[in-house]
Amino acid sequence: NAGVTQTPKFRILKIGQSMTLQCTQDMNHNYMYWYRQDPGMGLKLIYYSVGAGITDKGEVPNGYNVSRSTTEDFPLRLELAAPSQTSVYFCASSYDRDNSPLHFGNGTRLTVT
Amino acid sequence: GESVGLHLPTLSVQEGDNSIINCAYSNSASDYFIWYKQESGKGPQFIIDIRSNMDKRQGQRVTVLLNKTVKHLSLQIAATQPGDSAVYFCAETHYSGSARQLTFGSGTQLTVLP
Repeated sequence: NAGVTQTPKFRILKIGQSMTLQCTQDMNHNYMYWYRQDPGMGLKLIYYSVGAGITDKGEVPNGYNVSRSTTEDFPLRLELAAPSQTSVYFCASSYDRDNSPLHFGNGTRLTVT
Repeated sequence: GESVGLHLPTLSVQEGDNSIINCAYSNSASDYFIWYKQESGKGPQFIIDIRSNMDKRQGQRVTVLLNKTVKHLSLQIAATQPGDSAVYFCAETHYSGSARQLTFGSGTQLTVLP
């Protein structure tokens, strides 16, 4: 099993550019999440999804969009990149809501200049 | 607002000694807590979890203690090894809408000295 796979691993964007961070999992998990991690900080929830076709905002959703057309994929879209979005982005998934831990990908390091 | 915090940002221990990493939380509604380990360049890795109806849980070389009275939990690592060097995060979970959400602390950097 590959688990949670994120691409790309690194990316540099200019202010105002757009990009999509890809996330896919092969564990047939219903729940998927996007977090961002700023230097020396914990993770903050951006968006989450409880199943295909269902998404909801987390703690810091502004400037981002998501979609969940399949169980496996949960892409994160940045429409107009800003320096404040420079961060490491982690995708995670879990089997259910209550009784299973989150499995994380290895992250995408994004720099906006 | 609610927060999850760690007492010490860094911790250095001798190889073979026991490590104790502490975490304070403030959300009284939190009922599920998780410890994650994060190595450089990788995502957080699940270590151990504990529910609020327990005060202790043991895994392989790790023990989590929960004190609900003072809203404090700790992670104990027995016989610390070089491979244990990493950042350790505690996270509290609560329910928001239809999904469980994790609130992470800022992390403690554990360094194992030879």
